[in-house]
Amino acid sequence: QKEVEQNSGPLSVPEGAIASLNCTYSDRGSQSFFWYRQYSGKSPELIMSIYSNGDKEDGRFTAQLNKASQYVSLLIRDSQPSDSATYLCAVKWAAGKSTFGDGTTLTVKP
Amino acid sequence: DAGITQSPRHKVTETGTPVTLRCHQTENHRYMYWYRQDPGHGLRLIHYSYGVKDTDKGEVSDGYSVSRSKTEDFLLTLESATSSQTSVYFCAISESIDRADEQYFGPGTRLTVT
Repeated sequence: QKEVEQNSGPLSVPEGAIASLNCTYSDRGSQSFFWYRQYSGKSPELIMSIYSNGDKEDGRFTAQLNKASQYVSLLIRDSQPSDSATYLCAVKWAAGKSTFGDGTTLTVKP
Repeated sequence: DAGITQSPRHKVTETGTPVTLRCHQTENHRYMYWYRQDPGHGLRLIHYSYGVKDTDKGEVSDGYSVSRSKTEDFLLTLESATSSQTSVYFCAISESIDRADEQYFGPGTRLTVT
């Protein structure tokens, strides 16, 4: 069973702060990593994908990958109340097969 | 939003009845997936399809079957619904299942089995 663990929430940060979301995975051979955002009652939407060690930045979002430590993270800078959602980490371990974490719920307080 | 629709959006059914959920896409993506999501849990893969008439099982496939006769449609059938299958079901599509495999999700179907 491929496992993906996310830091337990909920996570609460003040508006303008940096939110840090973490994820570890069990399959050392995994090559593709994704972060999805899911608003309450809505479907997941892809916000970041990362495939190589290091950082990948997209606007206020930065994904960080460390394959040696089997660790992937998402940083949200200048957090806004509209960032309040559940964030799902997904790890692809075989063709067509990904494992999702249980999610971390983020609340950004004005 | 990616052109993905699911029907019905909500359904209540009784234990033991068959149920079919439909996923329809207008993106002409080759790969389609069915997931279920239960409160406090991430998404779990039920089945996926890598082409017309080509499907494979996911981690929670027991009690479910799928069919794909056209690129745009992927059907999920619960042969005899049980209360444990009460869940929110999401369909997803992707253009590729190689390294990228970025998946885009439909709006979901909330199924209640009484």
